Amino acid sequence: GAGVSQSPRYKVAKRGQDVALRCDPISGHVSLFWYQQALGQGPEFLTYFQNEAQLDKSGLPSDRFFAERPEGSVSTLKIQRTQQEDSAVYLCASSLDLGTQSRIGEAFFGQGTRLTVV
Amino acid sequence: AQRVTQPEKLLSVFKGAPVELKCNYSYSGSPELFWYVQYSRQRLQLLLRHISRESIKGFTADLNKGETSFHLKKPFAQEEDSAMYYCALRYNFNKFYFGSGTKLNVKP
Repeated sequence: GAGVSQSPRYKVAKRGQDVALRCDPISGHVSLFWYQQALGQGPEFLTYFQNEAQLDKSGLPSDRFFAERPEGSVSTLKIQRTQQEDSAVYLCASSLDLGTQSRIGEAFFGQGTRLTVV
Repeated sequence: AQRVTQPEKLLSVFKGAPVELKCNYSYSGSPELFWYVQYSRQRLQLLLRHISRESIKGFTADLNKGETSFHLKKPFAQEEDSAMYYCALRYNFNKFYFGSGTKLNVKP
């Protein structure tokens, strides 16, 4: 596809349930980011991959959150034992190469997955 | 610590009026600042970045290091400009810190 694709678009989970959110970045994009956007707030950084390497996971709110990108393309964000405070839109973004001056900051976002924990 | 502040949650203007969306930042290093826009039912997308000094869809933004501001301006607002606007600060090469956003409503 032409853009970043996320699935599912909507997910309702019962408290305590595990969920997995998928991100298909733009083909060839080296960098991949996950963000969490609570209602009425801007996106907040969760984690960053460069190819398959997770270079920064400082934004993950707890050890219940886990992200992987095993082959350097598709990424999965997993949340274990979901809590109500996990309800948010989870955004994935990818960029070609942050090391290239002309491409600095050109991150392309997916539509997001809206997670509701009940 | 780095921070981005967008003081207005909602800004309403009439079509043809000038618009200014405020953004102030706090960052000890050399800032790289961006404006992202999200139209209704669409994904977040880059509008412009300070390093390019560009004008996109009539919008401009000037980085003012003295005032630590990066306000977004347009001389004549259009109805299609109605959207959520996020100011973002890029730091440590791979993180974006976003403001809480301003909803721009352009009335006919």
